[in-house]
Amino acid sequence: GEDVEQSLFLSVREGDSSVINCTYTDSSSTYLYWYKQEPGAGLQLLTYIFSNMDMKQDQRLTVLLNKKDKHLSLRIADTQTGDSAIYFCAENSNSNSGYALNFGKGTSLLVTP
Amino acid sequence: EADIYQTPRYLVIGTGKKITLECSQTMGHDKMYWYQQDPGMELHLIHYSYGVNSTEKGDLSSESTVSRIRTEHFPLTLESARPSHTSQYLCASTRTGTVSYNEQFFGPGTRLTVL
Repeated sequence: GEDVEQSLFLSVREGDSSVINCTYTDSSSTYLYWYKQEPGAGLQLLTYIFSNMDMKQDQRLTVLLNKKDKHLSLRIADTQTGDSAIYFCAENSNSNSGYALNFGKGTSLLVTP
Repeated sequence: EADIYQTPRYLVIGTGKKITLECSQTMGHDKMYWYQQDPGMELHLIHYSYGVNSTEKGDLSSESTVSRIRTEHFPLTLESARPSHTSQYLCASTRTGTVSYNEQFFGPGTRLTVL
């Protein structure tokens, strides 16, 4: 299937901004998503962006999409220790089985005091 | 908060046992999914369903089976558990017909350990 790639680890200090990057290969992706997974829990949708947009802002979260380069990023402003979690990038397209989301491997974000 | 439930949350079981992981959602969603999440965090789609009486195998081959007799219920069964089945199993659901905004709601997961 198509690939979604993310860096595996990111460590930032509390109060700094975090930027998590993602690349994908399926040019027919219509929506791209960021999910958050806290220890021992399922995935929670953080935000999403439609493929004809290049930016979306939602409080401390900013999503940037470069459709030409198939690059997606999630910026978390004023990162807090409660933001420590695994962040998954995901895309959907007609080519995905059952219209399931295609996930990256997740980026583990560690926020230190 | 998503109304999708999984039981048990944790299960430790011996090799050869038959187990069923339960998943239920109260949102009336037609599509449901099972993902297996390995220790490296990556999610693999193992089963999905478009609706009642529909079940399909996902991208990752799995020895488990599923059934969808009711819209809200999508249980996963392992006839004979093995240590290689040790993993976290995540259930999800969504309500879309074709490609569109397609938020998948996830249950809390079942962490299975087979000794």
